[in-house]
Formats: sequence, structure tokens, C-alpha cells
Amino acid sequence: AIQMTQSPSSLSASVGDRVTITCRASQDIRNDLGWYQQRPGKAPKLLIYAASSLESGVPSIFSGSGSGTDFTLTISSLQPEDFATYYCLQYYNYPQTFGQGTKVEVK
Amino acid sequence: EVQLVDSGGGLVKPGGSLRLSCAASGFTFVSYNMNWVRQAPGKGLEWVSSISSSGSYIFYADSVKGRFTISRDNAKNSLFLQMNSLRADDTAVYYCARSLPPDYWGQGTLVTVSS
Repeated sequence: AIQMTQSPSSLSASVGDRVTITCRASQDIRNDLGWYQQRPGKAPKLLIYAASSLESGVPSIFSGSGSGTDFTLTISSLQPEDFATYYCLQYYNYPQTFGQGTKVEVK
Repeated sequence: EVQLVDSGGGLVKPGGSLRLSCAASGFTFVSYNMNWVRQAPGKGLEWVSSISSSGSYIFYADSVKGRFTISRDNAKNSLFLQMNSLRADDTAVYYCARSLPPDYWGQGTLVTVSS
């Protein structure tokens, strides 16, 4: 199975900060990568698909980049509602595998 | 509006069985692959199983292979997960989710395996 190594596991930030989260795949997954936001008690929400495509309705402060094995999610200016946990997901092959998650907390 | 409504969770003893359901509406169900994803309390997301739009292709995580069975009824816009031989480590919120990558998710249904 492809392993997804996500970092950091947590970070502290303030409203307005630029935040970067990375995911590394254990093998080439082309650009078959998604990013999700999960707020406590809620279902995950798809933010980015195909590594860099913004899901409909998602604010443009979210962006994704990368291909092959190294990927990045950037939040350009953190908003109060963005304090949440973020996950990457590879869907290049089965089993689909998630990163361990990054909890973005208030500094 | 796309809606996925998960149901069927509950408390079950180790070794027991449970059948989860997901009722879909607001989209052409027969055109989409579907998934089950779970999340143990306080833990990350874990993909469980996927089924193609026609039901011809099915995939399972190793952790559930041989115990869980995914199925769908395209006439009733419904997805199912039959869970047998349940173990304590199957305790989780189970979400159904549409497509690849999963774009719309149900609200989740809690499965607790405990004696």
C-alpha cells in the first residue's frame, strides 16, 4: 500500500497567517491527490482534487501544488473558520490512503 | 442538492454483525463510484471499501477483507456495508462518500463494538 506521510502533525497559527502543509507519497502517484478539511464532529470536506484543482465553492485562499511524490496545501490567509484538521488522500490506486492529519490550532 | 444519509450504526458485541445503509439523493446515483470511510474516536480517516457504479468492481481495506461486504442497489439509490465478525477496533464513525476522490460525504453513523 502507498504510504502518505503528512507534516506537521499539528501547528499553531494566527488569523491572517499563511499556512503550509505537506504530504509525501511513498511512490509516484502522479497528481492523484486530494486535500480535505475536517471540523470537529463534522464530515470531511473536499478542498482540492488532482493535487491543484480547487473544488467548487471552496475559497481561493486554499491552493494545492505538487506531483509525483511531494505535495503541498497552502492557506494564504488563515480565517477563523479554518482552524480544523486537514488530511491528504491518495487515490492513485487501492487501497486509498490518507495522511495522518494536520491539526491547525489557534496560536 | 446532493445528499447522503448514513444509518444503521449502533452498539454491537464483539463477533456480532451490523448492516449500514446510505441513502443517496440529488444526483444520478448509478453514475458514481461509492465509498465507505471510517474514523475511530480521536483518530484519522481510514478508507474501508469502494464499489464501482455498476457494482462490478469492489475493493476492500486489508483490515476488513473477508468480514465486510459492500453492495449497492441502484434502483433504490442506496449503498450498503454488511459488517460481520466485528471487533473492538472496528469501533468508528462510518461515512459513505461519493466518487473518486470522495467529494460528497454523509453525516456518518457511529458503530461501537463492545461487550
